[in-house]
Amino acid sequence: DVKVTQSSRYLVKRTGEKVFLECVQDMDHENMFWYRQDPGLGLRLIYFSYDVKMKEKGDIPEGYSVSREKKERFSLILESASTNQTSMYLCASSDRDGSRSNQPQHFGDGTRLSIL
Amino acid sequence: GDSVTQMEGPVTLSEEAFLTINCTYTATGYPSLFWYVQYPGEGLQLLLKATKADDKGSNKGFEATYRKETTSFHLEKGSVQVSDSAVYFCALSDTGSARQLTFGSGTQLTVLP
Repeated sequence: DVKVTQSSRYLVKRTGEKVFLECVQDMDHENMFWYRQDPGLGLRLIYFSYDVKMKEKGDIPEGYSVSREKKERFSLILESASTNQTSMYLCASSDRDGSRSNQPQHFGDGTRLSIL
Repeated sequence: GDSVTQMEGPVTLSEEAFLTINCTYTATGYPSLFWYVQYPGEGLQLLLKATKADDKGSNKGFEATYRKETTSFHLEKGSVQVSDSAVYFCALSDTGSARQLTFGSGTQLTVLP
C-alpha cells in the first residue's frame, strides 16, 4: 500500500512565525500536492510538483512556498504565518500517468494547523 | 475554469436506506471523475473513478456513472451501513502533466443504526 506520511497531526504556531509542514511518500511517485481543507470549501490546491526541484502554483499559493529537494519529500512553508492560515493541510502523491491510466492521488492523514 | 458542485449536507440516513449524493461538473475538455471518502480523523481515500463517458465506477457497494450529457457523476448505494458515515468528495481531473484535482465542497453523511 502507498504510504503518505505527514510529520505532525496537530501543530500550534504564533503569528509571524515561519512554519514548515513535511510530507514523505514511499512509492516513488513523481507528483506531489499540497491542499488546504476548510469547511464548506472542500480542498483547494496550494502548490504541486511533478518532479524534483519542480513546482507549480495551484489555486491559492499566496503566503506559501514549497520545496522538493528529494523525490519522496515535499515541504510546505508558511513564510510568515497568519491567523487566516489556520486550517487542515493535506499532502497527496500520485504516479505519472500511463498511456491508458489516470493515476489516483493518495493522501496523508492531514496536519491540523492553528495559528494564534 | 473547471468546477465541481455537489449537494450540500449534512445528510442523515437510517441503516439500510438508499443513498444518492448529487455531483455535477463544469470542464472544458474530457475530464476523469472521482469520488473520494474521508473517514473521521483521516485523509482522503479514493472510493471509485470513471475516465470516460458512460463508464461506471464501483467499489464497496457504491456506484457512479459518468454522464456527459448531463455533466453529472452522482454517487449511489443501495443499502448504507453505519460504517459508511464519512465525508464524500466529488472531484475531476484536468489534463496536464500532474493531473490536478478540482474538488467539490464535500457532503457529510451520517448513518444511524
